[in-house]
Amino acid sequence: GDSVTQMEGPVTLSEEAFLTINCTYTATGYPSLFWYVQYPGEGLQLLLKATKADDKGSNKGFEATYRKETTSFHLEKGSVQVSDSAVYFCALSADFGNEKLTFGTGTRLTIIP
Amino acid sequence: GAVVSQHPSWVICKSGTSVKIECRSLDFQATTMFWYRQFPKQSLMLMATSNEGSKATYEQGVEKDKFLINHASLTLSTLTVTSAHPEDSSFYICSARDPRGRGDTQYFGPGTRLTVL
Repeated sequence: GDSVTQMEGPVTLSEEAFLTINCTYTATGYPSLFWYVQYPGEGLQLLLKATKADDKGSNKGFEATYRKETTSFHLEKGSVQVSDSAVYFCALSADFGNEKLTFGTGTRLTIIP
Repeated sequence: GAVVSQHPSWVICKSGTSVKIECRSLDFQATTMFWYRQFPKQSLMLMATSNEGSKATYEQGVEKDKFLINHASLTLSTLTVTSAHPEDSSFYICSARDPRGRGDTQYFGPGTRLTVL
């Protein structure tokens, strides 16, 4: 079945450091890929998405590129801020328009000043 | 963005009792809502898809008689954990699909932590 494997946390970085959170997936067909973020005390929010190979999703300085050859969707940010501290979830939906989401385990990110 | 609320945010109950969790879409009508369960340090696992006016669709391995889902209106879905036991203790999260968006636009509630003693 479909699955998502993401980098285990927690991850602690200093402010302005470069961030990478790895995510790989297993799916049949052509899944859509997502990164969700959960800030303390809040619900999951869609951070970015990509719906086909080589697409790059971006938002709030975060980027992720849909790599079909390596079945990956790694999250990157060039310079993190304290406000980026949150839990990040990689997810996929097996077919575009299919609403079912398969999530990774989440990666807790803490940025220290 | 759209807002989804859950109530209560946490609940502690005795074994054998039933607990109801509400999920509301506050500023849009949600024809479809989803219920997830999350164990510590694990993924969100989809339990069921709740469709307004029809029976919920449960994922494989989820007991429909144990986890009763009612989606009686376009803004409210409820999950009732019947005869709860300690192994039902978990973090329950709902999401709602905004039909005005694309098929992948889901908005998540903040979650409900259930502890069964």
